[in-house]
Amino acid sequence: GAVVSQHPSRVICKSGTSVKIECRSLDFQATTMFWYRQFPKQSLMLMATSNEGSKATYEQGVEKDKFLINHASLTLSTLTVTSAHPEDSSFYICSARDVGSDGTQYFGPGTRLLVL
Amino acid sequence: AQSVSQHNHHVILSEAASLELGCNYSYGGTVNLFWYVQYPGQHLQLLLKYFSGDPLVKGIKGFEAEFIKSKFSFNLRKPSVQWSDTAEYFCALGPGGTYKYIFGTGTRLKVLA
Repeated sequence: GAVVSQHPSRVICKSGTSVKIECRSLDFQATTMFWYRQFPKQSLMLMATSNEGSKATYEQGVEKDKFLINHASLTLSTLTVTSAHPEDSSFYICSARDVGSDGTQYFGPGTRLLVL
Repeated sequence: AQSVSQHNHHVILSEAASLELGCNYSYGGTVNLFWYVQYPGQHLQLLLKYFSGDPLVKGIKGFEAEFIKSKFSFNLRKPSVQWSDTAEYFCALGPGGTYKYIFGTGTRLKVLA
């Protein structure tokens, strides 16, 4: 149980294009999903908290217009990197919290984004 | 500010050796604490968690961790490591009242067969 999937697993795009990453909770409902960014050999940095049916909450320093988050259902959150640039290249990981759970987050496998 | 420190960035052990990975946090309120493991090419998996109660928490795969409030620590231990324990280990703090995590920088463990 508590499986989270992400799609795509890796994507290569040209500078200036937008990329959408999906995060799905497969066997549970997630009122809250989180988006992280992981730089090589570094820890996970929380970018934003996504709540179903409401606007995402962004961490300090994260551009909300650059990283659009939509959490339209209890099982799906999307992160769109708009007008991507090479510095946006990174590993993006989502996690989800089960409705009514103790706060444990379950993580997706991540999406490797490379912007050329 | 809230933070998590993992002092050991790289650890190399031989099989059957005992393991202890340090995790210290900075936060004055109620905390939830977690250890996650990331095997090569895989996603983060929960090893164990502490919310309240017995400060000695047992997790999967023979891992355990002890919450010592006075030391703001939540060290991970395993009495005898295996080659398959080679992975990166992350300690995470969940400040009470929020569902956010603050991650430590991770410890890369390599177990030599």
